[in-house]
This record gives sequence, C-alpha cells and structure tokens, in this order.
Amino acid sequence: DAGITQSPRYKITETGRQVTLMCHQTWSHSYMFWYRQDLGHGLRLIYYSAAADITDKGEVPDGYVVSRSKTENFPLTLESATRSQTSVYFCASSDLLGRGYNEQFFGPGTRLTVL
Amino acid sequence: DAKTTQPTSMDCAEGRAANLPCNHSTISGNEYVYWYRQIHSQGPQYIIHGLKNNETNEMASLIITEDRKSSTLILPHATLRDTAVYYCIKRSNFGNEKLTFGTGTRLTIIP
Repeated sequence: DAGITQSPRYKITETGRQVTLMCHQTWSHSYMFWYRQDLGHGLRLIYYSAAADITDKGEVPDGYVVSRSKTENFPLTLESATRSQTSVYFCASSDLLGRGYNEQFFGPGTRLTVL
Repeated sequence: DAKTTQPTSMDCAEGRAANLPCNHSTISGNEYVYWYRQIHSQGPQYIIHGLKNNETNEMASLIITEDRKSSTLILPHATLRDTAVYYCIKRSNFGNEKLTFGTGTRLTIIP
C-alpha cells in the first residue's frame, strides 16, 4: 500500500534490550524523521535524514541510533532500552519536489513500553 | 529559536467557527507559519501554511497579522471530528525541513 507505515504498532520490551522500530515510505521522499511523544507533551525530534546515508541529530538523540541505507526505509534502534524511552514514536517523511512547501506526512505511530 | 505561543485549550460549539490564535513574535523574514493537528492517537496532519498573506484551503483559513507576529487558524464550521490538538509552527520554507512542535492547543468541539 502507498504511504508511510511503521512496525510494530505496539511493543513491550525490558530494560537493557535492543529494540528496532521500522519506518517505510513509498513516495521516495528525500527527508525522513523520527519523533517521540510523551504523555501530555508535543512531539520532539530524535533524528532526521535528508537522503540515503545522510542522517543528523535532532533535539533528543541520546540512546538512539538510526541508519538509512535505502531511501524508503529509516529504522530507529534503541541500543539498550531504558524506562525513560517509553513513549509513542512517530516517523514522518517529506519532500519539496513538485510541491513548493514543506508538508510532513506522519505514520500511525509505534507505542513502546519499556519495563 | 523561541517556539510559538498558543493557549493550552479551547472549546467551540459544533457548527460554529473555531478561531485558534498563535503568537510568533520572534518570526524572521524567511519563516512561514505552519499549522498541523493531531487527532487522538494518530500522527499529526498538515492543515495549512502562510507567509504574510491570508490563506484558505479546503480545511481551514489562516489569517496572519500585518506585522506577522501573530496568526489565527479558522475552522469555519467545526465538527466533532475537528476535536484535536492544533500546533502552530514557524519554519523556513527552504533548506532544512525540521519541524519544532510546541504543546499546541487542545480544541474540543462541544455537541
């Protein structure tokens, strides 16, 4: 299906485990983003990528690793999960090409609980 | 880079116009005003954006003051499905595409 998808939608893990959240988009957008949203707060940017093999830190990158070997995929890895990383994670993509303004398209989110 | 300022919450009667204010007094000349909304448990959704002129699309209207220090998002005939958190964001329209979200306004449409 066309669009932006995230998997898994729900994940429960334990402290210290490695967890990878997947994000896939079918539009060939050059930009992709990872945000986290904690209860009662707005979204905070974790990492973003301007193109394949180009990534950069956002506001709250500590404890996370990203990669972008293919344009359509942007996985987010928690190398050693902590309880403070319990959150809802949103992936987004965007591209100026043919549009003239920046509209980010968001995935449905992954709800992660770290016990 | 200061974020925008919005009221924490607002109510609006169904069928009436919802007017959501936003203060962005530190906006620079190359920054646009973008509005997104987030319906419960979903990812944010783009609504509208503008630079200095008023804008209208199928979802909403955006009124930007002449000095560009504030703006108002207008949902002309609010429905229950418009209940959401609305985010006002200032950003450049070229180069880096990052969005910086604040805490937004929680709009509740009252039947």
